[in-house]
Amino acid sequence: AQRVTQPEKLLSVFKGAPVELKCNYSYSGSPELFWYVQYSRQRLQLLLRHISRESIKGFTADLNKGETSFHLKKPFAQEEDSAMYYCALVTGGGNKLTFGTGTQLKVEL
Amino acid sequence: NAGVMQNPRHLVRRRGQEARLRCSPMKGHSHVYWYRQLPEEGLKFMVYLQKENIIDESGMPKERFSAEFPKEGPSILRIQQVVRGDSAAYFCASSPGTGFYTYEQYFGPGTRLTVT
Repeated sequence: AQRVTQPEKLLSVFKGAPVELKCNYSYSGSPELFWYVQYSRQRLQLLLRHISRESIKGFTADLNKGETSFHLKKPFAQEEDSAMYYCALVTGGGNKLTFGTGTQLKVEL
Repeated sequence: NAGVMQNPRHLVRRRGQEARLRCSPMKGHSHVYWYRQLPEEGLKFMVYLQKENIIDESGMPKERFSAEFPKEGPSILRIQQVVRGDSAAYFCASSPGTGFYTYEQYFGPGTRLTVT
């Protein structure tokens, strides 16, 4: 069965420090992975999709099939990055997202 | 484009009552998904619908829960005879269903259901 694991409930870093939010997945098919972000009092929104290999707001994520990981990284954290981050895997022929439990990122001054 | 709309944002029901949650997808989107988020957990898929069709309801509890997406009007998630364990945030998402970004789902603000 498919599963997404985000081992850290809370990650606290100082402004300007590097950030790495961990995500590991378990899926027998070809994975399609996303990172979603939820800022305070806002709706869940798409941050990154692995297939497009883009960088959004300085964040990048590389799919590592050998380690079954899709960690989210940013070299220098900003205060406005504080939010809840969810890693998600597309399954069911593209019809459902399997989410991790989320990591709360707190960027301190 | 107003985005995915959900109402009500907050809903309080007593045990045994019915809860109706509404979702209007983004303009041009014909695919709707419902997810449930229990406290301290991630979002869990419930059901995937297209207009007038339930495509995948593998995440729906077998009893008391139903969903529809009629030809006209919003998608409705209906919970009959609510129990305390139904208290959760219910999110709706929509996607265009075609094209390169067919997997990209846009989320509504959610409905927080509290059962007293």
